[in-house]
Amino acid sequence: GAVVSQHPSWVICKSGTSVKIECRSLDFQATTMFWYRQFPKQSLMLMATSNEGSKATYEQGVEKDKFLINHASLTLSTLTVTSAHPEDSSFYICSARPGGVEAFFGQGTRLTVV
Amino acid sequence: AQSVTQLGSHVSVSEGALVLLRCNYSSSVPPYLFWYVQYPNQGLQLLLKYTSAATLVKGINGFEAEFKKSETSFHLTKPSAHMSDAAEYFCAVTVSQGNLIFGKGTKLSVKP
Repeated sequence: GAVVSQHPSWVICKSGTSVKIECRSLDFQATTMFWYRQFPKQSLMLMATSNEGSKATYEQGVEKDKFLINHASLTLSTLTVTSAHPEDSSFYICSARPGGVEAFFGQGTRLTVV
Repeated sequence: AQSVTQLGSHVSVSEGALVLLRCNYSSSVPPYLFWYVQYPNQGLQLLLKYTSAATLVKGINGFEAEFKKSETSFHLTKPSAHMSDAAEYFCAVTVSQGNLIFGKGTKLSVKP
């Protein structure tokens, strides 16, 4: 299957700083990528849809200014958590579709804000 | 709009026993259905998918699922559980190029 790589796998940052998470499609081009957030022992919540060359589409209730998404190339989307606070601590996962309906997921990023 | 309901947030079976994880969906148009597995602190791995071909779908690691339109179900089964099957399992639905909608997940525990 297709490979989606996410980096870093885990990150600890101080409150008030910004953190960037990268999502790469390694063996296919992805015009669209998806960013999810997963709280402990809960399901995945779609945060936003990242579109190459255009603005991301955010789900209701997701702060655009806090979660900045950039999809500058067909193989890379980034999620930047700005001015992070402890409540932003979570597991963030990206996914992409090579074509069709099947989605492939990155390994996830465990963000801890202290 | 689509939705997924996974019955049972936690299922516990003995090693060698049948695994049955339940998933019911709601969709106004023919759906595509998926089962994913997630191990702690990892992303999601596709177990199997239904994309309107055969209603009985076989996946990796001995898992299979049957699409039953009349029951709007897509239950996941495995004849004999292994310790390595202990993980979180998610059922998901989508239509065409729509977003994946996930169920709340079922944690599978396997007792020796």
